[in-house]
Amino acid sequence: GQQVMQIPQYQHVQEGEDFTTYCNSSTTLSNIQWYKQRPGGHPVFLIQLVKSGEVKKQKRLTFQFGEAKKNSSLHITATQTTDVGTYFCAGRRLIYNQGGKLIFGQGTELSVKP
Amino acid sequence: EAQVTQNPRYLITVTGKKLTVTCSQNMNHEYMSWYRQDPGLGLRQIYYSMNVEVTDKGDVPEGYKVSRKEKRNFPLILESPSPNQTSLYFCASSSHRAGPGPQHFGDGTRLSIL
Repeated sequence: GQQVMQIPQYQHVQEGEDFTTYCNSSTTLSNIQWYKQRPGGHPVFLIQLVKSGEVKKQKRLTFQFGEAKKNSSLHITATQTTDVGTYFCAGRRLIYNQGGKLIFGQGTELSVKP
Repeated sequence: EAQVTQNPRYLITVTGKKLTVTCSQNMNHEYMSWYRQDPGLGLRQIYYSMNVEVTDKGDVPEGYKVSRKEKRNFPLILESPSPNQTSLYFCASSSHRAGPGPQHFGDGTRLSIL
């Protein structure tokens, strides 16, 4: 079954509020990627985190990779209507014969009320 | 323009009628992969290929076949489609030789199996 759990499944916010989505893996990951999918579109790569404890920022978006490399989060400060979409995390397993696999979380659908 | 091209974009067919979804990338990427997207389940990896003539199962390979005879092409074959394979399918590619780097996704193929 799915081994990267992502919560929440849905998040409705007022424009200007903050938003966070969390991913947790049952196994250690070699890296984690984040994607955004607009309604009706395809996933678009946002960022990749590789190091334990890594934090990266892209304007209003902050990405973190846990110390144990089993969890990650995406935080958006002061959401805008352009942030609407589904955000996915995807982890690459740190297992010898499964290093080619990419496991996606279920996604968090963000809606922003103007 | 760098892109991943999938065809067809939409297909309605009947149970048991063999079909192929083509995927082609023009970025000289080693890694290619197929995913299916279903509500509440996120993206699940079907098959992936680390290079020409090298393919491996993802998490949901049952009922699907793939081939990688050329670097640019990675077709998905449903030998005997069934209704539970009704889904949105994405092909993706990435440049990392050692595994799944940042994925470039195609626009998706919506399959309906009646």
